Amino acid sequence: GAGVSQTPSNKVTEKGKYVELRCDPISGHTALYWYRQSLGQGPEFLIYFQGTGAADDSGLPNDRFFAVRPEGSVSTLKIQRTERGDSAVYLCASSLGSSGANVLTFGAGSRLTVL
Amino acid sequence: AQSVAQPEDQVNVAEGNPLTVKCTYSVSGNPYLFWYVQYPNRGLQFLLKYITGDNLVKGSYGFEAEFNKSQTSFHLKKPSALVSDSALYFCAVSPTMNNNAGNMLTFGGGTRLMVKP
Repeated sequence: GAGVSQTPSNKVTEKGKYVELRCDPISGHTALYWYRQSLGQGPEFLIYFQGTGAADDSGLPNDRFFAVRPEGSVSTLKIQRTERGDSAVYLCASSLGSSGANVLTFGAGSRLTVL
Repeated sequence: AQSVAQPEDQVNVAEGNPLTVKCTYSVSGNPYLFWYVQYPNRGLQFLLKYITGDNLVKGSYGFEAEFNKSQTSFHLKKPSALVSDSALYFCAVSPTMNNNAGNMLTFGGGTRLMVKP
């Protein structure tokens, strides 16, 4: 597609539930990133995929968070046993290559609210 | 570990006046530096980047930024502000030593720019 697409745009769930957030990157972009943006803060890195593999997952806060990219395109961020502190906007970005000079193109984000 | 500081939560400027949004960084080795802008309910949009070469970088919508290695700064500037420039601005850094190991940007906390008519 023309840009990075994220669904759902808004998700409200109850504490303890399981949530999946989807990211459809720009066609041909091999690198994919997930970030989390809490209210009033800058985005924080969660995980980076190069192709199908998670090349760096050092930003995942704990083992309740997991992400996959099985075919090297669409990615899903999965959150188990959600907590109120997980409420944030989850941003996905993609780039053409894995160089630090590459520009990341961001999606509009998925706003997660845990009640 | 790298870090970015944006010391001003908000910058207010009158339309037509010059604007500056400040950013300082800390990173091992040489940095790649970026500015992104965020409008309400929209994703981050790339404005400009410094990779190497000329310290003055020009980007989208008339914005520019100056890389100052001795002061570890990368302030965003525009000669004449527009009301439509009002948005949230983020500075970000990644270390060049990562080479092709990914571009895991570290962002500052953001600065809200308010341009008044």
